[in-house]
Amino acid sequence: QVQLVQSGAEVKKPGASVKVSCKASGYTFSSYGVSWVRQAPGQGPEWVGWISGHSGSTKYAEKFQGRITMTTDTSTTTTYMELRSLRSDDTAVYYCARDYEESSKFDPWGQGTLVSVSS
Amino acid sequence: QSALTQPASVSGSPGQSITISCTGTSSDIGTYNYVSWYQQHPGKAPKLMIYDVSHRLSGVSARFSGSKSGNTASLTISGLQAEDEADYFCKSYTNTNTWVFGGGTKVTVL
Repeated sequence: QVQLVQSGAEVKKPGASVKVSCKASGYTFSSYGVSWVRQAPGQGPEWVGWISGHSGSTKYAEKFQGRITMTTDTSTTTTYMELRSLRSDDTAVYYCARDYEESSKFDPWGQGTLVSVSS
Repeated sequence: QSALTQPASVSGSPGQSITISCTGTSSDIGTYNYVSWYQQHPGKAPKLMIYDVSHRLSGVSARFSGSKSGNTASLTISGLQAEDEADYFCKSYTNTNTWVFGGGTKVTVL
């Protein structure tokens, strides 16, 4: 079945970087993109960015420009999201989701990765 | 890009119908039919319910339906059941080629 499996929880200090992975299985990786979404405690979701599974092209939300990088490894069908210069307000659960690109579908989602930023 | 506006909470009795609104602008909902709705139970990942305004994902109950008028999209749950108690989020494509979410609506089954 189609699934996205993410790496485990991370605890980081302010100013550090974090790299979260998202391994896809059960579908043709290059036919879809992957979007990343984060959700701070008690808040609604926030779109972080997107990467094409075909070309590796990216699009990031403006607020993350300059401190985020998304990459893919097609040989392992894994997508990575690296966020740098972490702040306390980056504390959130980060999700990856299969992005259908020509539709508003994000389906399915990974199980989520909690990133905690604290001194 | 500001978040889409949803009511914080909506409640209904079993069997009733409820509607959740999601208000955006002409830069997102008003221009694009790329609106989707997600259900999220506590501690779980969101699940897609409705995409492209009114299309139900395969396997989703026909009690869930979506629509749009102007800058506002709506999710209707008919025949409310206890298992429908969850948070619901809307999402829309925007004119900056990004996605914007709503703040979420907590649905309570009385």
